[in-house]
Amino acid sequence: QVQLQQWGAGLLKPSETLSLTCAVYGGSFSGYYWSWIRQAPGKGLEWIAEISQSGSTNYNPSLKSRVSLSMDTYKTQFFLNLNSVTAADTAVYFCARGREVATVNGWLDPWGQGTPVTVSS
Amino acid sequence: EIVMTQSPSTLFVSPGERATLSCRASQSVSRNLAWYQQKPGQAPKLLIYGASTRATGIPARFSGSGSATEFTLTIGSLQSEDFAVYYCQQYHDWPPYTFGQGTKLEI
Repeated sequence: QVQLQQWGAGLLKPSETLSLTCAVYGGSFSGYYWSWIRQAPGKGLEWIAEISQSGSTNYNPSLKSRVSLSMDTYKTQFFLNLNSVTAADTAVYFCARGREVATVNGWLDPWGQGTPVTVSS
Repeated sequence: EIVMTQSPSTLFVSPGERATLSCRASQSVSRNLAWYQQKPGQAPKLLIYGASTRATGIPARFSGSGSATEFTLTIGSLQSEDFAVYYCQQYHDWPPYTFGQGTKLEI
């Protein structure tokens, strides 16, 4: 059974870089895309980006200029960097397993537990 | 970007009743639609994918239907643990994957 565990800094100042890690335990790491999603306080879900083992990435156009994804296949971990953060980036950030490579089955399952991130001066 | 719109925003129902939640896409997504349940302080949980296929371990009282731009999540005989927020998500055209704004199921 695949499980995702995530962590990262929870309090940032404006203009700093948000950095989060998601570790994948169990199941196949190489055969899937791995996504990041966020949820602002009291709001809905916003998909951020996805990455596959080959390094193929897709980004939400609204965040593309500030987002960078990477992964460590040996550790079965993937990473989110979001630079130049503002208060609008305050949210709970989730990681999740996405579609199998070479498919369009883009549902997200399972999800990490979420990491709350606050941006405040 | 495909815009997903859910209705109603809040649905008041009683335990044992049936709940019907709607999701509309701004353009056809075929049957490339998923539903999630989110409880306070928790990550979303996949309920339905392919518009009507229940995810592993999801009770049969959850059912999905629809295609193209109109979708429905039906929860038959509501249990206390079903009161949560429900989101639809399209994966027909990306990036980005997009979600509806959610429907909150309240007693």
